[in-house]
Amino acid sequence: DAKTTQPNSMESNEEEPVHLPCNHSTISGTDYIHWYRQLPSQGPEYVIHGLTSNVNNRMASLAIAEDRKSSTLILHRATLRDAAVYYCILGRLIYNQGGKLIFGQGTELSVKP
Amino acid sequence: GAVVSQHPSWVICKSGTSVKIECRSLDFQATTMFWYRQFPKQSLMLMATSNEGSKATYEQGVEKDKFLINHASLTLSTLTVTSAHPEDSSFYICSASSRVLETQYFGPGTRLLVL
Repeated sequence: DAKTTQPNSMESNEEEPVHLPCNHSTISGTDYIHWYRQLPSQGPEYVIHGLTSNVNNRMASLAIAEDRKSSTLILHRATLRDAAVYYCILGRLIYNQGGKLIFGQGTELSVKP
Repeated sequence: GAVVSQHPSWVICKSGTSVKIECRSLDFQATTMFWYRQFPKQSLMLMATSNEGSKATYEQGVEKDKFLINHASLTLSTLTVTSAHPEDSSFYICSASSRVLETQYFGPGTRLLVL
């Protein structure tokens, strides 16, 4: 399983943009890049995912490097509710090697008012 | 977005008893469900993958006779912790997906405390 590397923790200020980096130098052509976040005592919440192109949704944007060896999750305006552990995970589709997601340690994001 | 539920949200049981946890996909058919375990201050650890109508595939080091998984329908998977012991106390989380989805959706988790 391809691994990802994320900073252990990051701090941001409320209402400012946050860029959460993720390195995945051993990514394969069929690996999707998934981002989830988790609050204490809750299940992970889906944030965004992508394969090659940058992606936007109501929660965040995902910028994927051209060589796909790194990506950045962008929260455009951080709020206190965005404080969580963010996981960047590589995974394949269900019909392609089962779709397993292997979680790393993630980045603990704190947001200061 | 796809919704996954778990029941119960928390359970306390005596050592030696068995506990069943349900995972349901509420608005989609989940051909595949995953079970994870999370200890305090740690990340999620994948325990097993279950495909509807098939036997579950367990990750290395996970005892299949202790953690029984059944995925009898496209919307329900169950995890039974048999002969639970205090070391089985943990946060159990399921996720669900299918061949038409590109990602997984997670349930809210079940907190198990074995006394």
